[in-house]
Amino acid sequence: AQRVTQPEKLLSVFKGAPVELKCNYSYSGSPELFWYVQYSRQRLQLLLRHISRESIKGFTADLNKGETSFHLKKPFAQEEDSAMYYCALTGDSSYKLIFGSGTRLLVRP
Amino acid sequence: DAMVIQNPRYQVTQFGKPVTLSCSQTLNHNVMYWYQQKSSQAPKLLFHYYDKDFNNEADTPDNFQSRRPNTSFCFLDIRSPGLGDAAMYLCATSSSGRLYEQYFGPGTRLTVT
Repeated sequence: AQRVTQPEKLLSVFKGAPVELKCNYSYSGSPELFWYVQYSRQRLQLLLRHISRESIKGFTADLNKGETSFHLKKPFAQEEDSAMYYCALTGDSSYKLIFGSGTRLLVRP
Repeated sequence: DAMVIQNPRYQVTQFGKPVTLSCSQTLNHNVMYWYQQKSSQAPKLLFHYYDKDFNNEADTPDNFQSRRPNTSFCFLDIRSPGLGDAAMYLCATSSSGRLYEQYFGPGTRLTVT
């Protein structure tokens, strides 16, 4: 079954601390993985995709096929990073995003 | 600004009373989606339109229907809402060249009394 698991509902860190939001997936083929973010009072929006291998707002994510993980990392968290983060995948049906249940990141001053 | 608009933002309906949620977009995207998101859960795809082609997810209840009269507009009809249909309903769009990058509306929160 296709599934995305985000084990933490809430992750609280202090400003300047490293942050890692965990994402594990279950998919029999070769999925494409994404991170979507929803800031307070804003819409859900794409943050990054694994194929791009880029850093967005200081965040990076590496696809580990052996561990079926796609954790989101940032070395120094900022208060403006506080948001809801969703990991998602697409598979053979490239239109269909399968979302995890999300992790709320709270960066405290 | 090009965007995805959902109306109303909050909708209260009675048990069994049909309700329609609307979505419009100025992005000229050819794909439109409807998701249901219950509290603390992942957004769940209900169906999508690829141009005029309607695609229903296998586990979407028959109670949910959709219409897309033109490129810009898409409607979600709930024929006989039950208490379990109370949720946030998200509309999203994407272009066929970048299906994975979906642009979401602000959502409509549906309450069923």
